[in-house]
Amino acid sequence: ETGVTQTPRHLVMGMTNKKSLKCEQHLGHNAMYWYKQSAKKPLELMFVYNFKEQTENNSVPSRFSPECPNSSHLFLHLHTLQPEDSALYLCASSQVGTSTGELFFGEGSRLTVL
Amino acid sequence: SQKIEQNSEALNIQEGKTATLTCNYTNYSPAYLQWYRQDPGRGPVFLLLIRENEKEKRKERLKVTFDTTLKQSLFHITASQPADSATYLCALEEYGNKLVFGAGTILRVKS
Repeated sequence: ETGVTQTPRHLVMGMTNKKSLKCEQHLGHNAMYWYKQSAKKPLELMFVYNFKEQTENNSVPSRFSPECPNSSHLFLHLHTLQPEDSALYLCASSQVGTSTGELFFGEGSRLTVL
Repeated sequence: SQKIEQNSEALNIQEGKTATLTCNYTNYSPAYLQWYRQDPGRGPVFLLLIRENEKEKRKERLKVTFDTTLKQSLFHITASQPADSATYLCALEEYGNKLVFGAGTILRVKS
């Protein structure tokens, strides 16, 4: 596989459930990101991991818990979410230290909270 | 922090015409600005990057300009095709490797 892979592509969960989103990048990058995309709103940066270390937590509620076990994998653990958390969650990776800083995105996980 | 404004209304144009999309930002000029394309239900795909010391960048039918005085970037697609229909996102470097995105402009190219 190439690029950035996210699973599952679609997830429906109740407010009391616990679920996880998974992201894997096959590009050899050293930074990974979680973004939230709601309808008609800009992408919101949630978390940044550089070299497996979390360097950004953009005031994200604690019901979202990221985990980065190595530079190729990133998880977003979800617990007691609210209906307003329904959105497209996008994972991205990049190579920090290059001149372009372009992000490579996965296809996203569409989350619906009932 | 940066605030980015892109036209919230969809841009409808005829096939073969040039599409021009606008990205305005409010604060300091970033070191670079990027444009992405996003199709429905898919993740954004990087298209072009332009640096603060570059006035214009081209890639095939795409052209990007960057005016730090106006705090504006223009994104042009020449000889547009229905396959160019998508949402186009503007993104600025805020600090480090943190990118801030605009909400995007929907482009519809009709044959």
